[in-house]
Amino acid sequence: GESVGLHLPTLSVQEGDNSIINCAYSNSASDYFIWYKQESGKGPQFIIDIRSNMDKRQGQRVTVLLNKTVKHLSLQIAATQPGDSAVYFCAETNQAGTALIFGKGTTLSVSS
Amino acid sequence: DGGITQSPKYLFRKEGQNVTLSCEQNLNHDAMYWYRQDPGQGLRLIYYSQIVNDFQKGDIAEGYSVSREKKESFPLTVTSAQKNPTAFYLCASSIPTGINSPLHFGNGTRLTVT
Repeated sequence: GESVGLHLPTLSVQEGDNSIINCAYSNSASDYFIWYKQESGKGPQFIIDIRSNMDKRQGQRVTVLLNKTVKHLSLQIAATQPGDSAVYFCAETNQAGTALIFGKGTTLSVSS
Repeated sequence: DGGITQSPKYLFRKEGQNVTLSCEQNLNHDAMYWYRQDPGQGLRLIYYSQIVNDFQKGDIAEGYSVSREKKESFPLTVTSAQKNPTAFYLCASSIPTGINSPLHFGNGTRLTVT
């Protein structure tokens, strides 16, 4: 069946470090991937997305890498700040291409 | 400001009662979605609608019902048939070009059933 997973449920970093959050996906036909950030008690916020015809996409302080060979997605956050502390979810399109399937999330804790 | 409004933020019900969660958007999006989130879990798709008067079941539709009579509104009813209704419910919408675009989420409704 479809599943989107993350390698680690928690990640702790020091302020100023770079963070890397990983995600493995199962649907080899997915053509769209997305990362969300969710703060406590709120809905997920869009961070960055990438289509399957790309390997890398950069935003402000964030980079998403897509490795279709091993079905792996990662989110890199440069110079991590305390405000980056949140749960991060990866998501991919479902088999029908009609909705997003989410992973279980990685909790990022940033200490100053 | 355009966005998605979910109300109420907290909802309490007794077991055996149906309850309806509201979701309204003013983003002019055709597609709307309902997800359920349990502690420490990802989001699971309940129902989605790509156009007015049409909707499809997601992965965990049993015990839920929806309607899509207006573009702006996509209410979710949690029926007494839902065995574990206590959860955080998230509504989302996306632009008309389909799923290959970000979903915009509301801030959720936390439902507690006792």
